[in-house]
Amino acid sequence: GEDVEQSLFLSVREGDSSVINCTYTDSSSTYLYWYKQEPGAGLQLLTYIFSNMDMKQDQRLTVLLNKKDKHLSLRIADTQTGDSAIYFCAESIHNQGGKLIFGQGTELSVKP
Amino acid sequence: KAGVTQTPRYLIKTRGQQVTLSCSPISGHRSVSWYQQTPGQGLQFLFEYFSETQRNKGNFPGRFSGRQFSNSRSEMNVSTLELGDSALYLCASSASRDRAQAFFGQGTRLTVV
Repeated sequence: GEDVEQSLFLSVREGDSSVINCTYTDSSSTYLYWYKQEPGAGLQLLTYIFSNMDMKQDQRLTVLLNKKDKHLSLRIADTQTGDSAIYFCAESIHNQGGKLIFGQGTELSVKP
Repeated sequence: KAGVTQTPRYLIKTRGQQVTLSCSPISGHRSVSWYQQTPGQGLQFLFEYFSETQRNKGNFPGRFSGRQFSNSRSEMNVSTLELGDSALYLCASSASRDRAQAFFGQGTRLTVV
């Protein structure tokens, strides 16, 4: 079945690294995504990784994918107060076109 | 390049009415998907259109429908509104060649009273 799970809350201090975790169940995932949502706004695509990759780095963001354990993580280096938002993990499934399956979202709170 | 544009941003409707929401994708994008976001159910897929054809549909009742025009703009319609239809409705567009990247609009906040 299709299911994506995330922890609901994470609190960090400004300047620390944040790690947001996600697990998924469908082994036919093609791409896995991280989106950011600020209050009252839509979803901002942060980064994505193809399912046959292990890691992707993009400036302060590092995505790690453990396909065996179906575990995805997003590391934000040097977290800033502007990073406070809800982060969604999502997957696309082979042969299901553009449909994305989203996790519940992790609310990241960055304290000064 | 302009992003995904959704109109209107906010709507208040009464139970039993119908509503039409609009989405203009990024120029050159031919795929448009719709999602419903609620505090209880999170983000749920409604449907996807590509070249005016519905390619995929989520588990929503028939009161939810959509269409896509030849210029790739899309509309979704909800008939006989219920209180539970109150939600943020998000539209995403992606290019036909690189469907890995789906870009979302700001959403339409629908309140049913």
